[in-house]
Formats: sequence, structure tokens, C-alpha cells
Amino acid sequence: DVKVTQSSRYLVKRTGEKVFLECVQDMDHENMFWYRQDPGLGLRLIYFSYDVKMKEKGDIPEGYSVSREKKERFSLILESASTNQTSMYLCASSSDGTGGHYGYTFGSGTRLTVV
Amino acid sequence: QKEVEQNSGPLSVPEGAIASLNCTYSDRVSQSFFWYRQYSGKSPELIMSIYSNGDKEDGRFTAQLNKASQYVSLLIRDSQPSDSATYLCAVGNTGGFKTIFGAGTRLFVKA
Repeated sequence: DVKVTQSSRYLVKRTGEKVFLECVQDMDHENMFWYRQDPGLGLRLIYFSYDVKMKEKGDIPEGYSVSREKKERFSLILESASTNQTSMYLCASSSDGTGGHYGYTFGSGTRLTVV
Repeated sequence: QKEVEQNSGPLSVPEGAIASLNCTYSDRVSQSFFWYRQYSGKSPELIMSIYSNGDKEDGRFTAQLNKASQYVSLLIRDSQPSDSATYLCAVGNTGGFKTIFGAGTRLFVKA
């Protein structure tokens, strides 16, 4: 019954590495999102996508990029990992209704540690 | 200025009591309102959504929305220890592109 799948639950990477976080949803949702969650800072939006090959910057896009080649898959890329990117990364998807969206379905998260 | 504000808690209630969680928001054009539950070490899970003024009930949960006061709340009746979690309030506009999350309220239900 898994609906939003993130490829890794835990990840340890070295400073300067290029890191790929993968997210796949099986609900045919139009919208997909990447957030990071840090203690005391809450959920912060990195990037989102409302259609295939479309992407929009969120509140903290610096140091990240994304790719959405297929509707079900949304990838987050850390171009050159740094220690301040150590965080919990959450992927989410949603569909739209006339009154706004129906709420997010989150993946289980990837806890990334950059050393 | 925070756009979605919640009391960080912790809020502690005895088992069987009503837990009341509150949230205020600043954007008057907001149209979608959500409550998510997040257990420690887990990802958020949507538990309630509300789009119009008034109350919406789902089992032991009731969401209340007052757009004039820019206020949304979540009531949990007959609280159980399994309800102990962080509750996130989220507010969005059409399309959901700018959904804003509050920092969350930690709830403890004492057995």
C-alpha cells in the first residue's frame, strides 16, 4: 500500500559529493514537492513541480536542483554536498481540486548526513 | 513575521481528555487548511482537511475553521497515548504551490 516511495531511508555522503535523492509516487498526482525538515526550523520547501519537466523554486533552493522526466518521479540533486545540508528530506505529492489541493502524501523520508 | 503560527507546546493532557490544538495564519486568501500528525522519526501524515468555515468531524477528530479570525483548530476527543505526536498545521492556496507549514505542537497524552 506504499504510495510515495523514497529510495533511501538513511544516507551518509562526503562533503563535495553529488547526491541524488529519488522519489516515486503511484497515485498519478500532478504536483510533487521536496522539503527538508530541521529541528526548530520546521518544514521548508526546496523545489516543487506541477507537471512533467516543470519545476519551480521553493523557499530554499540554493545548492539544490531537481528533475522530473516522468509524472511519477521527482528527483532532488545536491550538486556539491555540504555539512549544512545534513537534514531529513521529505518528498510529497498532491492532486488539485477546485478548492485547492487535497493535501500532501509524504514519503517516509531520507535522513541525509554529510560528513 | 511567521505566516502560520502554532504554540510549540508541549501540550500535556490525561488519557480520555479533549486535546485542543490551535493555529493562526496571516494570508487572508488562503483556501485550504490541513492538520498533519507526525510521530517521532516518521514523516507527516494527513489527518484532517477543511476548506470552509465551521466544523468538520472525522471520528475522534474535529477541525474548526474561522476565516474571519484567520484561525484553525483541531480537537481530539477521548485522547489516547497513541495520539502523542507533533501536530502540524498547514495552510495553502489554490494549486497548493505555496502551502505553508507551522512549526508544530507537541502533544503528550498521559496514561
